[in-house]
Amino acid sequence: KAGVTQTPRYLIKTRGQQVTLSCSPISGHRSVSWYQQTPGQGLQFLFEYFSETQRNKGNFPGRFSGRQFSNSRSEMNVSTLELGDSALYLCASSLGVSSYNSPLHFGNGTRLTVT
Amino acid sequence: TQLLEQSPQFLSIQEGENLTVYCNSSSVFSSLQWYRQEPGEGPVLLVTVVTGGEVKKLKRLTFQFGDARKDSSLHITAAQPGDTGLYLCAGASNNDMRFGAGTRLTVKP
Repeated sequence: KAGVTQTPRYLIKTRGQQVTLSCSPISGHRSVSWYQQTPGQGLQFLFEYFSETQRNKGNFPGRFSGRQFSNSRSEMNVSTLELGDSALYLCASSLGVSSYNSPLHFGNGTRLTVT
Repeated sequence: TQLLEQSPQFLSIQEGENLTVYCNSSSVFSSLQWYRQEPGEGPVLLVTVVTGGEVKKLKRLTFQFGDARKDSSLHITAAQPGDTGLYLCAGASNNDMRFGAGTRLTVKP
């Protein structure tokens, strides 16, 4: 059974640009969550999607957005990139409606560097 | 401010030693999970604890959930170099999952 797949693995962008990251969940998983990981802040929750609907959102500015498709694949977009957006972006899928009652299965992340 | 405080932040020990890492919060959680993350990879679930006072063992790893469901500990017996990694705790409440910043463990051979 294939795990969670995130593309691309590495990305270098310039301040002011926008970026789209992709996540394919484990087959059968309908919940997808996104996290930002930095050395100083650890894993910060961005948002969670289930059946194409955003169910929960973390404390990030509106420049961070996401969506989920009918096949459960998800994308997140960051517009007007800032240097502080440099981080490892992790996607996790789970079986359950909400991530709290189902274990999270993480992808290996997309490392975004903003210069 | 982290909802979940993990300590210590860094830990470097010799192979064969025992260690305990902690995950503390002022909030009550419906469940708490521990993950281990290795360089270049995403976190991998180790265990989920649900009941206050619950103790779970996974080979040399012992996990305990506090009676009030606000804190947890992870004890490793006879640590091995393969235990090296970032240990993350995650608490579930109000329909979301929040992570601590992690304890970075290095076990030297």
